[in-house]
Amino acid sequence: GNSVTQMEGPVTLSEEAFLTINCTYTATGYPSLFWYVQYPGEGLQLLLKATKADDKGSNKGFEATYRKETTSFHLEKGSVQVSDSAVYFCALSRKTGNQFYFGTGTSLTVIP
Amino acid sequence: GAVVSQHPSRVICKSGTSVKIECRSLDFQATTMFWYRQFPKQSLMLMATSNEGSKATYEQGVEKDKFLINHASLTLSTLTVTSAHPEDSSFYICSAREGDRYQETQYFGPGTRLLVL
Repeated sequence: GNSVTQMEGPVTLSEEAFLTINCTYTATGYPSLFWYVQYPGEGLQLLLKATKADDKGSNKGFEATYRKETTSFHLEKGSVQVSDSAVYFCALSRKTGNQFYFGTGTSLTVIP
Repeated sequence: GAVVSQHPSRVICKSGTSVKIECRSLDFQATTMFWYRQFPKQSLMLMATSNEGSKATYEQGVEKDKFLINHASLTLSTLTVTSAHPEDSSFYICSAREGDRYQETQYFGPGTRLLVL
């Protein structure tokens, strides 16, 4: 089957610290992988995506590389800011069909 | 990027009443819209997939008679929670996909928080 596993939070970091949020997946075929971010009281926003193995998605200083050999899509940022405080969701989608599979989300709090 | 709106953003209703939530794609035509439910501190659960002009496809365990979905146009889908009960209180999020089934990116609305008293 298809599923996404994220590291559990909450994660609390000081400003300018390095961030890693682990995400691994199980999927049939060759899915696309996504990171979505949810700020308090808001819906989900697409942060970045990768559609095939070894692709690197990047946006706003965040990066994630599609690793087929380890079935992972870990999110990283070199220097977090207070404004990065949010919940981050890893997700996968099969290339055909409608289904999105989300991880449980990881809450990040960045303190000044 | 593509914008999806939801209305209302927050609603409080009495038990037994029905509540309608609208989801609109503002700058693109959405052939497919999705409705999710999110419980506190949990991930999104797909409730149903809505295709313009046809009946919605519901996920296992979701009562189609309780959660009525109408996708009347390429820019509007509605979710009606009928005879709402306190356990229906949740955060409802819609998303829309532009184009055909091979377009994978879904654009999410800001969500509607429903509180049933």
